[in-house]
Amino acid sequence: AQTVTQSQPEMSVQEAETVTLSCTYDTSESDYYLFWYKQPPSRQMILVIRQEAYKQQNATENRFSVNFQKAAKSFSLKISDSQLGDAAMYFCAYRSALSAGGTSYGKLTFGQGTILTVHP
Amino acid sequence: KAGVTQTPRYLIKTRGQQVTLSCSPISGHRSVSWYQQTPGQGLQFLFEYFSETQRNKGNFPGRFSGRQFSNSRSEMNVSTLELGDSALYLCASSRTGFSHEQYFGPGTRLTVT
Repeated sequence: AQTVTQSQPEMSVQEAETVTLSCTYDTSESDYYLFWYKQPPSRQMILVIRQEAYKQQNATENRFSVNFQKAAKSFSLKISDSQLGDAAMYFCAYRSALSAGGTSYGKLTFGQGTILTVHP
Repeated sequence: KAGVTQTPRYLIKTRGQQVTLSCSPISGHRSVSWYQQTPGQGLQFLFEYFSETQRNKGNFPGRFSGRQFSNSRSEMNVSTLELGDSALYLCASSRTGFSHEQYFGPGTRLTVT
């Protein structure tokens, strides 16, 4: 079974600065997907960024980028130019790429989450 | 395009009762997954439905069940509620294909007293 570990229960950052959230995972599979989700106090889970394991290039989405180290099974999220609206719980998630007939058995395995506080 | 919707948003039930939660996926999405979120256990996968068939199931007791309709809308049912079932229940939808992200609804907050 796959496991996802977020070792930082809480992180804080000053507005406009950069912060990195850590995530490690354990799997015996070679093909999978990794995601970062953001859950603000409103509780709506929002997809921030995703990474396909077969891609060596790190994914980026505007101010959000990842450092994907497949051999180390590490998947960290860097938030640049932090904004007050970035304050939320961030979850790292894993999904197997195993599929049959072109469809996915899309179970997401989540880490415990990291609460990010942004100070003005 | 409308997002994932869940009804009701809040629910209070008494121990021993049963409850049904509803999820309408994004138009065109055929897969619906359900998750339970609690402070102690975090986010845990309940089950996934695709084309009215349960494809995957998490480690939850048989009191937790679900179904999916031909229009991809899904319901989950919890029978004989226990205090520990108090949680935020999240529904997520995704399109067919093996690489698509899941998009979450706002959740249903269930409180069991």
